Amino acid sequence: QSILTQPPSVSGAPGQRVTISCTGTSSNIGADYNVHWYQQLPGTAPKLLIYGNDNRPSGVPERFSGSRSGTSASLAITGLQAEDEANYYCQSFDSSLSGSKVFGGGTKLTVL
Amino acid sequence: QVQLQESGPGLVKPSQTLSLTCSVSGGSISSGDYYWSWIRQPPGKGLEWIGYIFYTGSTHHKASLKSRVIMSVDTSKNQFSLKLSSVTAADTAVYYCAREQVLGGFFDFWGQGTLVTVSS
Repeated sequence: QSILTQPPSVSGAPGQRVTISCTGTSSNIGADYNVHWYQQLPGTAPKLLIYGNDNRPSGVPERFSGSRSGTSASLAITGLQAEDEANYYCQSFDSSLSGSKVFGGGTKLTVL
Repeated sequence: QVQLQESGPGLVKPSQTLSLTCSVSGGSISSGDYYWSWIRQPPGKGLEWIGYIFYTGSTHHKASLKSRVIMSVDTSKNQFSLKLSSVTAADTAVYYCAREQVLGGFFDFWGQGTLVTVSS
């Protein structure tokens, strides 16, 4: 069971907007630690998508955005495209586990 | 552009030690801006952080794995390594090496990953 909780799956039609939630606790997201997001296409390594809650690395489309509030964070994808079908993971830091990096369980995005 | 590449045996027997090396190119492993990390992913499951090593040799590991993990760094070869002892089938996973930003706490470059199967 992951320290950060994500929905196992979400889906949307091309062009639509979807959001993926990442729920933590007072020892990670709620303690003001940053949240980062990764996209993992089938059979490939994870790729950094969002860092520091709401920052996009160079080359990541503006369709991807992140936010954080309280003990939760969200990834939003607008203008959904077929190529967005992938697994998405949130990641943060947890102070209760001797200072461990922690990941969410992952969310499978299906483009209908 | 930084590139990371994992190498090591794809099959390890139960109770033995898993050994992997990550070779870094396109940048120096001796930069004080980065930690050099190991992350694994069991087949069909999520990501698990194992730990990191700094170029000075200082390390930090996940508490539940700490007694079995040894990490090392070879700055002359621009490589870092992972040893995981007393492996069981539960250690079967794709193992990734990754670069972590010290100030940001995120992993900005990843290796392609290598599958290690624990089986007799």
